[in-house]
Amino acid sequence: SAVISQKPSRDICQRGTSLTIQCQVDSQVTMMFWYRQQPGQSLTLIATANQGSEATYESGFVIDKFPISRPNLTFSTLTVSNMSPEDSSIYLCSVTGVDSYEQYFGPGTRLTVT
Amino acid sequence: TQLLEQSPQFLSIQEGENLTVYCNSSSVFSSLQWYRQEPGEGPVLLVTVVTGGEVKKLKRLTFQFGDARKDSSLHITAAQPGDTGLYLCAGRGDTGGFKTIFGAGTRLFVKA
Repeated sequence: SAVISQKPSRDICQRGTSLTIQCQVDSQVTMMFWYRQQPGQSLTLIATANQGSEATYESGFVIDKFPISRPNLTFSTLTVSNMSPEDSSIYLCSVTGVDSYEQYFGPGTRLTVT
Repeated sequence: TQLLEQSPQFLSIQEGENLTVYCNSSSVFSSLQWYRQEPGEGPVLLVTVVTGGEVKKLKRLTFQFGDARKDSSLHITAAQPGDTGLYLCAGRGDTGGFKTIFGAGTRLFVKA
């Protein structure tokens, strides 16, 4: 398994500002993903973070709103831009190896937008 | 579009009772995972099943993958308050992709 850390663990932000969330893995992994989990709900995939190239976004999510970087095999960032209260959620980083069926999650970043 | 339907959505039981959570789909999955998530934390992987008909046990938890690899169940024997949490099933499609699909989750509350 992989150990994943996220920073910050939580934040309260004002409408219109941006927040960058960091994800660090303790070993090299092939796939890194960013999910959103709204209160009381399941996980929704935002995008797959690709090393050295643009992330692959799911329907309903765009790069201008959720820019993602992945400069190497162990680190990625997700920025939530021009935030509104509807962006209040838990944001989760997740990883998997190319030969592994299993997916591991970071502890999440709890974002509240006021 | 592949979907995973979980039932029940919410379950509140007394300590010591047994329960079963179901995860169903009309699609075939190459593998299926079960996670438990506690408040303020990320989901924690409990088990992965990959073979049709496979049964795995983790202490009081029994996981089964359907013969056709379209459904799975999680059975908890003698539930304890520490089992409280959100249980999520997740699966990878049978087409070789890396994307994982998550069910809506079952929120379990075990009362002491």
